Amino acid sequence: DAGVIQSPRHEVTEMGQEVTLRCKPISGHDYLFWYRQTMMRGLELLIYFNNNVPIDDSGMPEDRFSAKMPNASFSTLKIQPSEPRDSAVYFCASSLRWGHEQYFGPGTRLTVT
Amino acid sequence: GIQVEQSPPDLILQEGANSTLRCNFSDSVNNLQWFHQNPWGQLINLFYIPSGTKQNGRLSATTVATERYSLLYISSSQTTDSGVYFCAVGKENSGGSNYKLTFGKGTLLTVNP
Repeated sequence: DAGVIQSPRHEVTEMGQEVTLRCKPISGHDYLFWYRQTMMRGLELLIYFNNNVPIDDSGMPEDRFSAKMPNASFSTLKIQPSEPRDSAVYFCASSLRWGHEQYFGPGTRLTVT
Repeated sequence: GIQVEQSPPDLILQEGANSTLRCNFSDSVNNLQWFHQNPWGQLINLFYIPSGTKQNGRLSATTVATERYSLLYISSSQTTDSGVYFCAVGKENSGGSNYKLTFGKGTLLTVNP
């Protein structure tokens, strides 16, 4: 398997623009997670899905953030409108089942100017 | 929520030296993982170790779940071991429907030639 795939790897956008990050989990994994990494807050969970259903979105910072998982092989994290404080590395991860090891994608480095 | 503390925060070694990194956590856990974040930002799985001892080459890890700590041992360190080492723990909530990884702040390891 190719592992967790994320795109784009780098994104630079202007404040106010919509940003969409994409993730393809490892085939057969039931859980998908979105994390954000910043210098100030470290790595923090934003939202996770089980079998395409959002289970816990308590980490989503505000209404500007939304995530979807339309099928087992694809998820998106959207920020609209983007702000400079959203600049961070966004990681997607997946795991085979509950409580099992999580595997991380390479991340998307987002810069909002 | 669960607290994760890693020590030391920074560590500088000469190539060939051994080291021990520690992770303390505040509650019982169902999942514990060690990651290495390399200088390119990739999060690499080292161990999935909610309890017991595992070894992989020059690296080994031990988790004593009853005492709520885990140790990562690096022997004969190499310059390629440089980066940040994260401990992350997961705990099911009382309802059995929640599962997320909480990350420590990491240990920044620098191995000099």
